Amino acid sequence: GENVEQHPSTLSVQEGDSAVIKCTYSDSASNYFPWYKQELGKRPQLIIDIRSNVGEKKDQRIAVTLNKTAKHFSLHITETQPEDSAVYFCAANPSGTYKYIFGTGTRLKVLA
Amino acid sequence: KAGVTQTPRYLIKTRGQQVTLSCSPISGHRSVSWYQQTPGQGLQFLFEYFSETQRNKGNFPGRFSGRQFSNSRSEMNVSTLELGDSALYLCASSPRTGERSYGYTFGSGTRLTVV
Repeated sequence: GENVEQHPSTLSVQEGDSAVIKCTYSDSASNYFPWYKQELGKRPQLIIDIRSNVGEKKDQRIAVTLNKTAKHFSLHITETQPEDSAVYFCAANPSGTYKYIFGTGTRLKVLA
Repeated sequence: KAGVTQTPRYLIKTRGQQVTLSCSPISGHRSVSWYQQTPGQGLQFLFEYFSETQRNKGNFPGRFSGRQFSNSRSEMNVSTLELGDSALYLCASSPRTGERSYGYTFGSGTRLTVV
């Protein structure tokens, strides 16, 4: 069935270092891949997304890469700051559906 | 521009009861999706509505149902509540109409506790 695997489940980095979160999807026809950040007690918020016809997208300190052949996509955060500490979720939209399949989340801790 | 509004924020119900949750999407958004969030299962898709029509349904029992009104507001209902239904229920609004996907704007959620 449709599935998105996300790794690692927890990630601790020193402030200023980079963080990378990886996701793998099962439906090769998936065409849209958003990333969400959820701070403690708050709603998930869209931070970046990528479509299947693009290999990489960048927005300031955040970038996402997509490898369609391997069916995986990654979130890269550079120059991490304490306010980047949150749970990050990846998701995939299987083609022809109106639902997103979410990964299980990565708890990122940025240590000052 | 107002965000996605979910009511109520918190609910405590007894096993066997039923509950109705409400969601008002961003003005102009006609697509409303519902997700269940639990620590163990993450975000699980319940259903998606567009123009009062359910376009997709997740793998939840028939006790979970929903509907959408002509003003795009949506409700979800859970009947015969079970302890395992305790979760944060998130509503998501999207400008999506057809094939092209867009990111969601989530509401703050309704925290349901079943005792």
